[in-house]
Order: sequence, then C-alpha cells, then structure tokens
Amino acid sequence: GDSVTQMEGPVTLSEEAFLTINCTYTATGYPSLFWYVQYPGEGLQLLLKATKADDKGSNKGFEATYRKETTSFHLEKGSVQVSDSAVYFCALSDRGGTYKYIFGTGTRLKVLA
Amino acid sequence: DVKVTQSSRYLVKRTGEKVFLECVQDMDHENMFWYRQDPGLGLRLIYFSYDVKMKEKGDIPEGYSVSREKKERFSLILESASTNQTSMYLCAGSFSLAGGEQYFGPGTRLTVT
Repeated sequence: GDSVTQMEGPVTLSEEAFLTINCTYTATGYPSLFWYVQYPGEGLQLLLKATKADDKGSNKGFEATYRKETTSFHLEKGSVQVSDSAVYFCALSDRGGTYKYIFGTGTRLKVLA
Repeated sequence: DVKVTQSSRYLVKRTGEKVFLECVQDMDHENMFWYRQDPGLGLRLIYFSYDVKMKEKGDIPEGYSVSREKKERFSLILESASTNQTSMYLCAGSFSLAGGEQYFGPGTRLTVT
C-alpha cells in the first residue's frame, strides 16, 4: 500500500544553518504531497504542497520539490531560525475517488540560538 | 479567521468512563476527521465523515465511535475508556476528501488513568 517515510529526529541545528528533512513515498497513483508543521501545543498546519511531478512548493523560506523519479519530497530551508523549532510531517493524499491521506511519523527540529 | 476548535485541550478520565471529544469548525467543510497522534507512530486516522450523519472507519476505529448531527460539529466517543487510549487527539476538516489541505484543531491531550 501507499506509505510515507521520513527521517527520524530529532534534528538539532544552530541558527542560520541549512536544513534538509528527507521524505520518500510509495504510491500506486499520482498523489499530492504536503509538508505540515506542528508548533508546540498546537495542531498541524500546512506549510507547503505540490500536486504534480517537478512542482516546487514554497512558504516562509521552506521549499520542497516533487521528484517522481526518486519518489521524494525533501524539505529544505537555507537558514533556520529558533522560531522554526517544531515537528514537521510529510504527507501524501491520493487524488482518486476514495479517501487516502497518509502522514509520516514526524521529524522534530530544534534550532539553537 | 477560520478555525477548527476542540472542546478541551487537556482531559483526564478514569478507565471505563464514556468520553466525548467535541470538534467544531466554521469553515463550512464537508469533510471532518479524527486522528490520534502518538510518538513514533505519527497520525493515525480513527474515523472520518464526508457529510452530515455519514461516517467511515479509518485505520484504527476499534474502541471509538463518532457522531455528526450537524455539518459544523464532529464528535468522537470513547465508549469505555482504557489506558491504551491515552493519546493526543486531533480533529481536522477539509473541503475535499482527496488531494487537498486539511485544517487542524489544536488537539486534546487525553489521559486515561
């Protein structure tokens, strides 16, 4: 079945460091791909999304490119801030007729000043 | 500001109690979802609803039921709470069942003693 695998955390970085959080997926169809972020004490919120191959989603300095050939959707940011400390979830959603929304296990990011 | 709200942020119940978790959205979502979030397991879907009075089982429905009598309200019911239902519960809404963004509430942390 479909699945999402993302790197285990926690990831600890110094402020202004480069961030990569890896996400790979398996899917039988052509899913949409998402990154959600969960700040402490809050629910998840959408960070960015991509709906087809080679699309790049971007928001708040974060980027991810839908790579069909490598079945990946890695999250990147050039310079992280302390305020980026959160848990990041990769997810896919099938655009077919039935419901299918699969989340990864989450990667905790801690940014140190 | 659009919102998905949950009735309690923290809840402590005793084993065997009947527990109601309430979720209300003001976004006119057709679809609503209940997840539980556990460390290392990510988000797992309990139930979802695609219309008033309509519901579908998710991946882990055992021990839970749901009710959707009005479009804006989706309730999760633990018929007889057990300690293994101690978890974070997240409600979400969406405009589409597949391929679209989900909007999450802040979560209810339930402890069953």
